[in-house]
Amino acid sequence: NAGVTQTPKFQVLKTGQSMTLQCAQDMNHEYMSWYRQDPGMGLRLIHYSVGAGITDQGEVPNGYNVSRSTTEDFPLRLLSAAPSQTSVYFCASRTDASGGIQETQYFGPGTRLLVL
Amino acid sequence: AQSVTQPDIHITVSEGASLELRCNYSYGATPYLFWYVQSPGQGLQLLLKYFSGDTLVQGIKGFEAEFKRSQSSFNLRKPSVHWSDAAEYFCAVGARGGGADGLTFGKGTHLIIQP
Repeated sequence: NAGVTQTPKFQVLKTGQSMTLQCAQDMNHEYMSWYRQDPGMGLRLIHYSVGAGITDQGEVPNGYNVSRSTTEDFPLRLLSAAPSQTSVYFCASRTDASGGIQETQYFGPGTRLLVL
Repeated sequence: AQSVTQPDIHITVSEGASLELRCNYSYGATPYLFWYVQSPGQGLQLLLKYFSGDTLVQGIKGFEAEFKRSQSSFNLRKPSVHWSDAAEYFCAVGARGGGADGLTFGKGTHLIIQP
């Protein structure tokens, strides 16, 4: 198993540009989520999904869109990038959304995004 | 809403010395508690977790943590650190009740190992 994969590893954008951060998992996990990591802030939940076709907002959803058309993929879209979105983005997945938070979450390696 | 406090931003420990990283949480009931480690340029790896039962939990890489309800704490310990333990450590709390709750993370403690 590859686990949770993310692409790209690094990206530089100009203000106002759009892009999609890709996340895929091959563990057949129902639950997937996106976090952003900022210095001195820890990780904060952006969006999450409990299964294909179902998404919801986390703590810091503004400026981001998600969709979940398949179990494997959970892309994160920035429609109009802003410097405040400069961050490291982590995708995570866990086995069973109904099983709750006790299931171990697996994290991808992260995408470093710089918005100029 | 739950919250996590890691009081120490940086900790420096000599190789071979013992380690304790502090974590305090705020939650209305007994939470799920986690410790994650992040090596430079890497994603997060789960060290250990507490859900119920024995309040002393063992994890990978020789780490352990003790849940103390009276102090709302979940401190991470290791008896003898190795240079490879240098990393960022995150404590996290998850709400009980199932569903799709995410984790709430502390701001992290950066561990520096002196030779």
